[in-house]
Amino acid sequence: TQLLEQSPQFLSIQEGENLTVYCNSSSVFSSLQWYRQEPGEGPVLLVTVVTGGEVKKLKRLTFQFGDARKDSSLHITAAQPGDTGLYLCAGPSGSARQLTFGSGTQLTVLP
Amino acid sequence: DSGVTQTPKHLITATGQRVTLRCSPRSGDLSVYWYQQSLDQGLQFLIQYYNGEERAKGNILERFSAQQFPDLHSELNLSSLELGDSALYFCASSVGATNTGELFFGEGSRLTVL
Repeated sequence: TQLLEQSPQFLSIQEGENLTVYCNSSSVFSSLQWYRQEPGEGPVLLVTVVTGGEVKKLKRLTFQFGDARKDSSLHITAAQPGDTGLYLCAGPSGSARQLTFGSGTQLTVLP
Repeated sequence: DSGVTQTPKHLITATGQRVTLRCSPRSGDLSVYWYQQSLDQGLQFLIQYYNGEERAKGNILERFSAQQFPDLHSELNLSSLELGDSALYFCASSVGATNTGELFFGEGSRLTVL
């Protein structure tokens, strides 16, 4: 099973600051997904990246897939308290291509 | 609202007991996945069913079993419960058999074993 490592594990910032979180693997992934999980809820898909070097934007969130398709990053511009949550990257892994999740980055944006 | 329904939302039981968690997938989705989320292990894949058949098995203990019924709802059975089984159990669904598309997660069932 391919492993996904996320960093940092915890991040606490002030409203208005910018931040980047990372998702790294020693293996190549055909695609990576980013999910956000809020307390008391299940993860919700934010984006899927499939092409090496691909950049996708979702309002203030910018997602990038590494050229070698082994890593991905999520950059948030001018963070807001509503961005608070657990950010998870995930990719297909194993013989049945089941979705394997990273350990997540717990982001807290303080007002 | 993801369209995936899980019951119960909370469950407290004792060691050695058996519980059943229930999941109704989104309308039209044929795949159901079960995940376990704990503080130290993160979100761990347990098992996937597609149209009633087991498709993939992850880190699921022998004490745990699952099935998907003809109406596509699924149940996860946890037996001989141990303290370490306390966790959030998520069900997710998707249209197809492979995991290249979006998974839609329910709100989870929080299991506490005392």
